[in-house]
Amino acid sequence: AQTVTQSQPEMSVQEAETVTLSCTYDTSESNYYLFWYKQPPSRQMILVIRQEAYKQQNATENRFSVNFQKAAKSFSLKISDSQLGDTAMYFCAFMKHGGANSKLTFGKGITLSVRP
Amino acid sequence: SQTIHQWPATLVQPVGSPLSLECTVEGTSNPNLYWYRQAAGRGLQLLFYSVGIGQISSEVPQNLSASRPQDRQFILSSKKLLLSDSGFYLCAWSVMEGGAGANVLTFGAGSRLTVL
Repeated sequence: AQTVTQSQPEMSVQEAETVTLSCTYDTSESNYYLFWYKQPPSRQMILVIRQEAYKQQNATENRFSVNFQKAAKSFSLKISDSQLGDTAMYFCAFMKHGGANSKLTFGKGITLSVRP
Repeated sequence: SQTIHQWPATLVQPVGSPLSLECTVEGTSNPNLYWYRQAAGRGLQLLFYSVGIGQISSEVPQNLSASRPQDRQFILSSKKLLLSDSGFYLCAWSVMEGGAGANVLTFGAGSRLTVL
């Protein structure tokens, strides 16, 4: 079974600064997907970024980028130029590649607060 | 474009009463459908997933059941609610392979259930 660990329960960052959220995972699979989801106070789950394990290049989406270290099973999210709207809970998630059993396994999440 | 509807948004029910939460998806065919539960301050736990009409897989033994009577309809039910069933319930859909959206779970707005 796969596990996803987010060891930091909370983080805080000043507006316009950069913050990195950590995530590690454990799997015996060689091909899989990794995700970061954001859950703002509205509680709507929003996809932030997706990484395919077979791609060596780190995914980026505007101010969001990841540092994917496959050998270390690490998948951190970097938020540049933090904005007040980035205040939310962030979840790291894992999905095995292929087949009908495309289930997401989530970490416990980290609460990020952006200070004005 | 695809949309997902989930209702009711908020529900307060007495212990021992029945439950029905409904989720429908528009704009796609044969999606994978999921029910997740988020307890207060915790991560998301997968309850059920379905790869087709009438095909339900349960992830954890519990007081709840799920049904998929139509391709794009997913229902979460209980005959008798327990206090421990309180939480935030999220429905999600995905399609398997193909394109940038493959294997990405898109979530509904959630249903907040309080059992008293």
